Amino acid sequence: EVQLVESGGGLVQPGGSLKLSCAASGFTFSNFAVTWVRQAPGKGLEWVSSITGSGDTTYYADSVKGRFTISRDSSKSTLYLQMNSLRAEDTAVYYCAKDVESGSQGFFDYWGQGTLVTVSS
Amino acid sequence: DIVMTQSPDSLAVSLGERATINCKSSQSVLYSSNNMNYLTWYQQKPGQPPKLLIYWASTRQSGVPDRFSGSGSGTDFTLTISSLQAEDVAVYYCQQYYNLPYTFGQGTKLEIK
Repeated sequence: EVQLVESGGGLVQPGGSLKLSCAASGFTFSNFAVTWVRQAPGKGLEWVSSITGSGDTTYYADSVKGRFTISRDSSKSTLYLQMNSLRAEDTAVYYCAKDVESGSQGFFDYWGQGTLVTVSS
Repeated sequence: DIVMTQSPDSLAVSLGERATINCKSSQSVLYSSNNMNYLTWYQQKPGQPPKLLIYWASTRQSGVPDRFSGSGSGTDFTLTISSLQAEDVAVYYCQQYYNLPYTFGQGTKLEIK
């Protein structure tokens, strides 16, 4: 059974940093791209960042480029999102999601339950 | 960026009746080299993550009931629920994966009338 379990969310002050993790199981992690999608409270879905199965290519939304870094550790089957210079508008539930192929096809067949990040003073 | 616009924003349908949700993209998501539409539909129930329903505009994900169907091509797409069940109450999103950034529609909230 495919499982994705996010962790690392919490309350952080504007300008602060946070690192999210997503532990994957039930599939060969290195064979699939993985992605972060966020959802602000009461709002819709926003794609944030993706990384290919090999980890050699990353993609970012303009809203987070230069502030967020996606990475993966295939030995631990874990996806990460390092978030720096956080802003109030980054407040959201962050979901990790499994892509359907290694090279980032762009749609997602399994999602985690999400972790809430709140940026506030 | 490709802008995805869904209509209506909310919809109330009686149990057993048909529900139709529309999605329009600001540019075509039909890739001419393979004649595939890079469009997917998700269902999100309260307090849950999104669930993949339809991909390539009309291919049903494994395990999704056949009352759900997707249609359309180019810039105009439709998600149809042929006979609404109580468990279909949710917000539905379309998403394009034709190019980056991947973009979602604003969502359509489906309720029981």
